[in-house]
Amino acid sequence: DAKTTQPTSMDCAEGRAANLPCNHSTISGNEYVYWYRQIHSQGPQYIIHGLKNNETNEMASLIITEDRKSSTLILPHATLRDTAVYYCIALQTGANNLFFGTGTRLTVIP
Amino acid sequence: GAVVSQHPSWVICKSGTSVKIECRSLDFQATTMFWYRQFPKQSLMLMATSNEGSKATYEQGVEKDKFLINHASLTLSTLTVTSAHPEDSSFYICSAGGGIGEGGYTFGSGTRLTVV
Repeated sequence: DAKTTQPTSMDCAEGRAANLPCNHSTISGNEYVYWYRQIHSQGPQYIIHGLKNNETNEMASLIITEDRKSSTLILPHATLRDTAVYYCIALQTGANNLFFGTGTRLTVIP
Repeated sequence: GAVVSQHPSWVICKSGTSVKIECRSLDFQATTMFWYRQFPKQSLMLMATSNEGSKATYEQGVEKDKFLINHASLTLSTLTVTSAHPEDSSFYICSAGGGIGEGGYTFGSGTRLTVV
């Protein structure tokens, strides 16, 4: 699976959009980009995933660059409950497991 | 959606005793489940892959005789920490594939183990 690089931490004002970048320059054609988040002392929670098209669901939007070397997770209106560590993972179809990097610690500030 | 139930959510045990953690897929079958360990302020580290009806596959550096994994059915995997020591205190998390398209995984809520 391709390695991903994320900023260590970010702050976001409550109510504003949180844009979390992820670099995956070595991603291969059959690897999806997955985003999970982990709120303190809980198991990771699935957020969204995509291959090459932009995706949106009730939690977030995922913007993937045309060359697929990077992506951005967007939380449109961040709340205090969105404070968590966000993990970007490149996952090959049929892969057996997820390997987690260090992720981005997002702090939503009142 | 897919739900993975993990029990107990926390446990305190004495040094030298064994502790069993259960991981169940509630609404789907999982031939494969995964066990992770997470120390404070660190990321999740994969310990082992649990395979239904066969032996688990352990990551390098994980002692298979200390962390016993049993995956006797398509909905249940257990992790037993044998002869626990304070350094085994950690947050243990299981996951199972399925329920999310193209290979996504669902995670349990985790078990906080404290060995005293």
